Amino acid sequence: AQKITQTQPGMFVQEKEAVTLDCTYDTSDPSYGLFWYKQPSSGEMIFLIYQGSYDQQNATEGRYSLNFQKARKSANLVISASQLGDSAMYFCAMRDSRDDYKLSFGAGTTVTVRA
Amino acid sequence: NAGVTQTPKFRVLKTGQSMTLLCAQDMNHEYMYWYRQDPGMGLRLIHYSVGEGTTAKGEVPDGYNVSRLKKQNFLLGLESAAPSQTSVYFCASSYSFRTDYGYTFGSGTRLTVV
Repeated sequence: AQKITQTQPGMFVQEKEAVTLDCTYDTSDPSYGLFWYKQPSSGEMIFLIYQGSYDQQNATEGRYSLNFQKARKSANLVISASQLGDSAMYFCAMRDSRDDYKLSFGAGTTVTVRA
Repeated sequence: NAGVTQTPKFRVLKTGQSMTLLCAQDMNHEYMYWYRQDPGMGLRLIHYSVGEGTTAKGEVPDGYNVSRLKKQNFLLGLESAAPSQTSVYFCASSYSFRTDYGYTFGSGTRLTVV
């Protein structure tokens, strides 16, 4: 069963504007971690931000923040003040105790920042 | 720099040929993983290892074999390549199984089977 759902295959955003990437997840485990990775056109996977299921506050890392709504099982990534270098594929991922604590990925969202 | 190194970076195979992808990490991580990335499907786990000498099947293991004879190396083998195995392959490692530990990824191997 799909554990991570990213419903936006692609998005366009104007430079300097904010963009929200949706991610919903499915788990019955009370302890889990949520991760966002960036994959630019060069192909490498870059870790952006982490949110733990027990964290009381939403995670933030520079221009990246995570809108964590536990009851809705959503972990949306917000990129503020978009830059041309933010154009990339973004993956939401989750790690819980099922399946040997493996990291499961969503299908990804492609973001294109327009000048 | 410390990290995960994958070789080769690119490879073209003919159907039926075999090859081995090498993943090496120098971070003393116990856990290592092989994923494949296909358009619209995210990353799917092929095989993984929770320590030297151990391997286990992931989501899409058919057509692949792995070995982890040394802690720092995780090899992915294709015995008889098929066009359906055309993909980008990523190796990753993790220090811990804990849910607050993410993965460190290699730079990927782009494989084309013709």
